[in-house]
Amino acid sequence: DARVTQTPRDKVTEMGQEVTMRCQPILGHNTVFWYRQTMMQGLELLAYFRNRAPLDDSGMPKDRFSAEMPDATLATLKIQPSEPRDSAVYFCASSASGRERETQYFGPGTRLLVL
Amino acid sequence: RKEVEQDPGPFNVPEGATVAFNCTYSNSASQSFFWYRQDCRKEPKLLMSVYSSGNEDGRFTAQLNRASQYISLLIRDSKLSDSATYLCVVLRDDKIIFGKGTRLHILP
Repeated sequence: DARVTQTPRDKVTEMGQEVTMRCQPILGHNTVFWYRQTMMQGLELLAYFRNRAPLDDSGMPKDRFSAEMPDATLATLKIQPSEPRDSAVYFCASSASGRERETQYFGPGTRLLVL
Repeated sequence: RKEVEQDPGPFNVPEGATVAFNCTYSNSASQSFFWYRQDCRKEPKLLMSVYSSGNEDGRFTAQLNRASQYISLLIRDSKLSDSATYLCVVLRDDKIIFGKGTRLHILP
């Protein structure tokens, strides 16, 4: 049963610290998404990659957030420096190209609390 | 006006009843539509795609009304396990927009 995995599942940190979240997409999926979910804003798309190339990162605050795909099996989202308003659940999702490309499979999320 | 809007609810519905909710979208160029389900403290999961002709999957029926720019989800014979948040998703030119979701509580 192929799944998207994310680490860490929970992260508590202090304001100003660097946070790195990791995602392993489903093997063979070529599109990877990063989302942030809060009660107030709902699910927001931060960035996404296709074939490891960034396609859209317009939803991401550029001054402190960065997203990369070092290889096809790993996507990272980094926040430096972190702020309390970054507290949220961060989801990674992946999808395959072709007819099923729109079906996104989400990971369990990283629950981030910045104090 | 937000591009995708949903009634946040909650919809409190007795078990066995039929419930329906809509999702409106503002951009007529929107191309693909989906319903995702999200359980409390879990990740969203695809419930069903929404096709122009409407589609049904067991107790769930999804419909698209392009003229009025909304999609709908109908749940028949609701079960306690249907309690969740239902997220509407719209795709337009590789842009993906999630609605904030409609919370559904099925009451025993």
